[in-house]
Amino acid sequence: SQKIEQNSEALNIQEGKTATLTCNYTNYSPAYLQWYRQDPGRGPVFLLLIRENEKEKRKERLKVTFDTTLKQSLFHITASQPADSATYLCALERGGKLIFGQGTELSVKP
Amino acid sequence: SQTIHQWPATLVQPVGSPLSLECTVEGTSNPNLYWYRQAAGRGLQLLFYSVGIGQISSEVPQNLSASRPQDRQFILSSKKLLLSDSGFYLCAWNPLTELQETQYFGPGTRLLVL
Repeated sequence: SQKIEQNSEALNIQEGKTATLTCNYTNYSPAYLQWYRQDPGRGPVFLLLIRENEKEKRKERLKVTFDTTLKQSLFHITASQPADSATYLCALERGGKLIFGQGTELSVKP
Repeated sequence: SQTIHQWPATLVQPVGSPLSLECTVEGTSNPNLYWYRQAAGRGLQLLFYSVGIGQISSEVPQNLSASRPQDRQFILSSKKLLLSDSGFYLCAWNPLTELQETQYFGPGTRLLVL
């Protein structure tokens, strides 16, 4: 069955550094992969979508890579700020549906 | 612009009681609608999705059911709640032309079954 794994441990970094979050998947080749941000007690908010034929996509301080050979996506936040602290979820397409990972909690310290 | 509403925001219910959670979308027509459940520290689990009025697809056999009585209304129900039904319930939508792509989530309902 489809499995998605994100860093289970919280990621703590210093303000100004680059945060890198990992999303690995098995047993499937999705047509696209998405990243969402979720704040405590709130619904997820869409950040970026990357398709299988794209290796990299950027949006302001965010960058996502998609390696279909490694079955891995990396999510980078450059020049991180305390306001970037949240849980980040990856989601991949499978059979026309979205399958979500469990999320990685990011904490950016001033 | 489009907005999505869910209510109630928080609910505490005894085991065995019924449940009705409501989700409505404004500012769009013919949306795809989804219900997810998120257990503490876990990812989102897709429960139901709907591509039109009266059309419901169930992803996980369970104690819950869904209905779509109107184009922009999606209801999650249960006849008898179980302890395991506790969680954070999220409704989401996306435009009909973008099936299963970017989804827009509501604020969620936190359900505690005691």
